[in-house]
Amino acid sequence: GENVEQHPSTLSVQEGDSAVIKCTYSDSASNYFPWYKQELGKRPQLIIDIRSNVGEKKDQRIAVTLNKTAKHFSLHITETQPEDSAVYFCAASGSGNTGKLIFGQGTTLQVKP
Amino acid sequence: DTGVSQNPRHKITKRGQNVTFRCDPISEHNRLYWYRQTLGQGPEFLTYFQNEAQLEKSRLLSDRFSAERPKGSFSTLEIQRTEQGDSAMYLCASSLDGRGAYPYGYTFGSGTRLTVV
Repeated sequence: GENVEQHPSTLSVQEGDSAVIKCTYSDSASNYFPWYKQELGKRPQLIIDIRSNVGEKKDQRIAVTLNKTAKHFSLHITETQPEDSAVYFCAASGSGNTGKLIFGQGTTLQVKP
Repeated sequence: DTGVSQNPRHKITKRGQNVTFRCDPISEHNRLYWYRQTLGQGPEFLTYFQNEAQLEKSRLLSDRFSAERPKGSFSTLEIQRTEQGDSAMYLCASSLDGRGAYPYGYTFGSGTRLTVV
């Protein structure tokens, strides 16, 4: 069945360091890979996404890379700040272009000042 | 239109009671999704509407769960005969139709937190 694995489950970094979160997906038909940030008690918010026809996408301090062959994608946050502390979820689209997303289990990122 | 709106924000109910949640999507979005999120987990897909048509339901969705989207606008999710295992955050999201082969990203609502006691 459709599955997305996300690692690590928790990540602690010093302010200014980089953070990397990795995901793997099972459905080779997946073609859209968004990342969401969820602060405590708030809604998940889309921070960056990538389509399967692109290998890398960058938006200021955030970048996402995609390896379709290996079915891996990763989120990279550079120059981390305390306000980056949150839970991050990766997701992969299900088949059929319905927009259905399969989410990973989440990574709790703590950025220490 | 400031985003996806969900009501109520919190609901406490006794086991065996029925509950209904409402979602108002972004007005121009024709796709609407319901997800369930338990503590420490990612959102789990429940069901999806394209306009008023319910096009997909998760196998996890028992027959106690039903969702509607009359006229392709707001949606309701009803849980009958609630069980303690139904306690979770119920998230609604909306999006535009995908362009070509690719879907668009979602906007999530703030969710309805259900506690079954």
